Amino acid sequence: DTAVSQTPKYLVTQMGNDKSIKCEQNLGHDTMYWYKQDSKKFLKIMFSYNNKELIINETVPNRFSPKSPDKAHLNLHINSLELGDSAVYFCASSQGDRDDNEQFFGPGTRLTVL
Amino acid sequence: AQSVTQLGSHVSVSEGALVLLRCNYSSSVPPYLFWYVQYPNQGLQLLLKYTSAATLVKGINGFEAEFKKSETSFHLTKPSAHMSDAAEYFCAVSSNTGKLIFGQGTTLQVKP
Repeated sequence: DTAVSQTPKYLVTQMGNDKSIKCEQNLGHDTMYWYKQDSKKFLKIMFSYNNKELIINETVPNRFSPKSPDKAHLNLHINSLELGDSAVYFCASSQGDRDDNEQFFGPGTRLTVL
Repeated sequence: AQSVTQLGSHVSVSEGALVLLRCNYSSSVPPYLFWYVQYPNQGLQLLLKYTSAATLVKGINGFEAEFKKSETSFHLTKPSAHMSDAAEYFCAVSSNTGKLIFGQGTTLQVKP
């Protein structure tokens, strides 16, 4: 069984469109994250949620809006897509938001904006 | 502010040779440090983590890392490389809010 799953795996779209990426974890964790990996493979956190509440919001444009309907899901909606949004987006989860907790990563969603 | 620097964006070794991937950290508080591996077109998988229990940490797949406070380092090693070890390796430090701050990554190439 997949622990952290993301859909879709690939997403190709035009500039200006609105798109969503979904993430689900079946590990029973209460904290979920979104990371962005750019073309140089640099990984940076975007958001984290603990028990459906926003904990971390890292200077991300407000075109990006995370939504957590329950502890097992954290979706990422992106409005007015720009070329610079092209990247691989990873969802992750952990039990609690302590700084020694292991984070489990999903397989990633490769977003290409044309 | 916490940060991590990985020395060498690309490391190439022969199969059976020692693997050494370098990581230096900067932190004003005792750090929690992690090594993750990313195989092509996959997510990240935890190799090992340092949480102050022991300075020599053993992980999966024969990897280990040693925390050296005096050198602010957390280098990853494996005595004998396998072809299957070819991947991207990331060192990370955890902040007090649980977010991971990653290094730039090191691509490990293993030659037959």
